[in-house]
Order: sequence, then C-alpha cells, then structure tokens
Amino acid sequence: SQTIHQWPATLVQPVGSPLSLECTVEGTSNPNLYWYRQAAGRGLQLLFYSVGIGQISSEVPQNLSASRPQDRQFILSSKKLLLSDSGFYLCAWSPGHGEKLFFGSGTQLSVL
Amino acid sequence: AQSVTQPDIHITVSEGASLELRCNYSYGATPYLFWYVQSPGQGLQLLLKYFSGDTLVQGIKGFEAEFKRSQSSFNLRKPSVHWSDAAEYFCAVAAGSSNTGKLIFGQGTTLQVKP
Repeated sequence: SQTIHQWPATLVQPVGSPLSLECTVEGTSNPNLYWYRQAAGRGLQLLFYSVGIGQISSEVPQNLSASRPQDRQFILSSKKLLLSDSGFYLCAWSPGHGEKLFFGSGTQLSVL
Repeated sequence: AQSVTQPDIHITVSEGASLELRCNYSYGATPYLFWYVQSPGQGLQLLLKYFSGDTLVQGIKGFEAEFKRSQSSFNLRKPSVHWSDAAEYFCAVAAGSSNTGKLIFGQGTTLQVKP
C-alpha cells in the first residue's frame, strides 16, 4: 500500500534562516506531488505541484521554492524565512489522473 | 476564477443530532468537488467526492453530500453526529479537469460536538 511521509512534524525557525521540508511517497511510482499551506484561520492554499522529476509548477509567487530530485521525493525550501511563512504545510500525492489526494500529516512551521 | 465559500466558520451540534455543513462554489464548467476532514494537527482525509453522475454522493464515516448545480452548492450531511466527528471540514473544487489534485479549498468549518 501507498504511504506518504512528511517531516519534521513541528519546526521553529528564526526569521532569515533557511528551510527544508521533505516529503517522500512509498508504494507508487510517478505520483503527482503537491505542497499546500494552511495559514492560521484560513483554508489550504496550493503552493507547488509536480507531475515528474524536475518539473515544478508554482501557483503563487512567494519566498519559497520546491524541488523534486527523485520520483517520490518532494522538497520545500527557503533561503531566508519570513514571519509570513509561518503556517501548517501539507504534502500530498495523487495518482497520475489525480482523482484523489492523499495528504501527509503536516509540518507546523513557526517563524519567530 | 474558481472559488469555494464555506459560510459557517464554526458549528456546534449535540451528539446524535443531524449535521449539515454548507459549501458554495464558483466554477464555469462541471466542477469536481470534494469534502475533506482534518483532525487536530493531522493531515486531511477525503470524505467523499463528486465528479459526475448521481448528485447524492455517499462517503466514509456515514457522511453524504448533494451536488445542486442550480444553487452552486455541495453541502455535507450526516444524520447523527458522533463525538469523534469533531474536526475541521474543508470543501474543495478542482482547479482544472486535467489535474484534479490542484484543489481550491474553502476556509473550513470547525465542528464542535456537545455531549
């Protein structure tokens, strides 16, 4: 069966520090991969999605970037965190046809 | 542009009572609609989805939702709420049929269940 792993679960970082959140999927190949963010009191917003290795689409301009170095690995990064980057970050995957999203357990990021 | 509105930010119901969570969408074509549930500090779990066909959709945990094109609504219902249903519920619409993983979410509705 397929599983999705996302870490760390919580992270506290100072403003201006770098960020790297990792997400891996097991039990499937060539998944579509997504990074969503949930700001406090708001719904989820799609940040990035990827349909293949090295293929990244950004949905909103921001201080973050994403990379997909391997088929089942999706990384969210920042060179310098801003206060506004705080939030709950969710990685998700879907089969190629994308009918259903499977979410990771999320990372609560607090930028202080 | 597509959008989703969940008018109720917070709802409280008694255990055993019926539940209806409202969702209205804005989308030019036939929408792909979803309801997800999020328990505290957890990721999201799909409750049900509507792509086409029967407008009354059955999901997991006893939930159902009805697609009403004339009202641009996709309300979630449950006949009898259990304490374990307390969570945050998100309605979502797919941003495009070519990749239904690109979802636009509503703001969410927090459900509190009173004993």
